[in-house]
Amino acid sequence: SQQGEEDPQALSIQEGENATMNCSYKTSINNLQWYRQNSGRGLVHLILIRSNEREKHSGRLRVTLDTSKKSSSLLITASRAADTASYFCATTNMLTFGGGTRLMVKP
Amino acid sequence: DVKVTQSSRYLVKRTGEKVFLECVQDMDHENMFWYRQDPGLGLRLIYFSYDVKMKEKGDIPEGYSVSREKKERFSLILESASTNQTSMYLCASSPELGFGTGPHSNQPQHFGDGTRLSIL
Repeated sequence: SQQGEEDPQALSIQEGENATMNCSYKTSINNLQWYRQNSGRGLVHLILIRSNEREKHSGRLRVTLDTSKKSSSLLITASRAADTASYFCATTNMLTFGGGTRLMVKP
Repeated sequence: DVKVTQSSRYLVKRTGEKVFLECVQDMDHENMFWYRQDPGLGLRLIYFSYDVKMKEKGDIPEGYSVSREKKERFSLILESASTNQTSMYLCASSPELGFGTGPHSNQPQHFGDGTRLSIL
């Protein structure tokens, strides 16, 4: 059972543009986390948002959480080629990850 | 920084072999996890452990077992490897499962770089 499902599955943008990825989940959560995975590597934690928070920022990352819609979004502003990776959301209650969004940022 | 080390980046084994995947973390975390990652299926939890000698089944435990004899080490065992177990295996650790609401809850998982296992 997958708690987090990312959308879109793949996203291709030009350097400098913003990238938005969405995540939907099924049950109530304590928190939601976003991770990044470079090709052939493990996942790296990016940001955590608690269930009582609506928005959180970290550098060029902005995460929102809408518990009424059971959804979250990750916005990467002013994207760079180095942001090319897969991005996953995870709800730690159930220790499951979605299939990820593959982001390609073209120089 | 937390370091999670998986013993092999690439491994090739034959059908029917008993395969051991090893994972070691250096931050005294209580919790350790094994996932497999397949294209189109995302990460799926195989087993996790919240203490030495304790283990819990994840979503897809069939064909696997685990061992946690020491806090820092969590081993994944394929009792009799089959071709459908060809996959990327990821180990992770965390100080908290995330169920609680205390100050140490909501901790992220720290991942190793993965072992790409091929069963021929």
